Amino acid sequence: AQSVAQPEDQVNVAEGNPLTVKCTYSVSGNPYLFWYVQYPNRGLQFLLKYITGDNLVKGSYGFEAEFNKSQTSFHLKKPSALVSDSALYFCAVRVLSGGYNKLIFGAGTRLAVHP
Amino acid sequence: DADVTQTPRNRITKTGKRIMLECSQTKGHDRMYWYRQDPGLGLRLIYYSFDVKDINKGEISDGYSVSRQAQAKFSLSLESAIPNQTALYFCATSGLGGPHEQFFGPGTRLTVL
Repeated sequence: AQSVAQPEDQVNVAEGNPLTVKCTYSVSGNPYLFWYVQYPNRGLQFLLKYITGDNLVKGSYGFEAEFNKSQTSFHLKKPSALVSDSALYFCAVRVLSGGYNKLIFGAGTRLAVHP
Repeated sequence: DADVTQTPRNRITKTGKRIMLECSQTKGHDRMYWYRQDPGLGLRLIYYSFDVKDINKGEISDGYSVSRQAQAKFSLSLESAIPNQTALYFCATSGLGGPHEQFFGPGTRLTVL
């Protein structure tokens, strides 16, 4: 079955420290991978995507993600966390189902950055 | 994203009532989606529409129906609401072709008593 997993419900990090939010996937064929962020009382916002090419993808707000095909992972990273990065983060993978491309979302990881 | 709007933003209703959630977009996208978000479950796809004449069920369509009134409008209905439909509902849009980003509305928080 095609799926995406976020193994951590919550990640805690001190401001200024590097952060990592983990994501693993299971799809047939080449994966198209996405990260979205949800701030309180807001809809999801697109952060970045991996389609092909360089395994390190850079996105909005200083975030980046590393695609690792052998480990089927797409972890979100940031070198120096800000308190304002505190939010709910979703990993997603595009799947082909019923002749259409759709996104499957992980359960989400809550990032808490402490001053 | 102000390009995708949802009404109402909050709704409290009773079991058995019919409820309609509305979504409008000004992005000019053909593809529209309805998701529900539950804690610990992420987003699950209810229905999606790739144009006005193309509507498809998602993974959790039971108890829901949709109407694509125009390219810019996509409504979700609960014909007879039940308490386990209490959730946060999101509308999203995307453009044609390729691996696509989706643009989300602000969400509707629905409570069924």
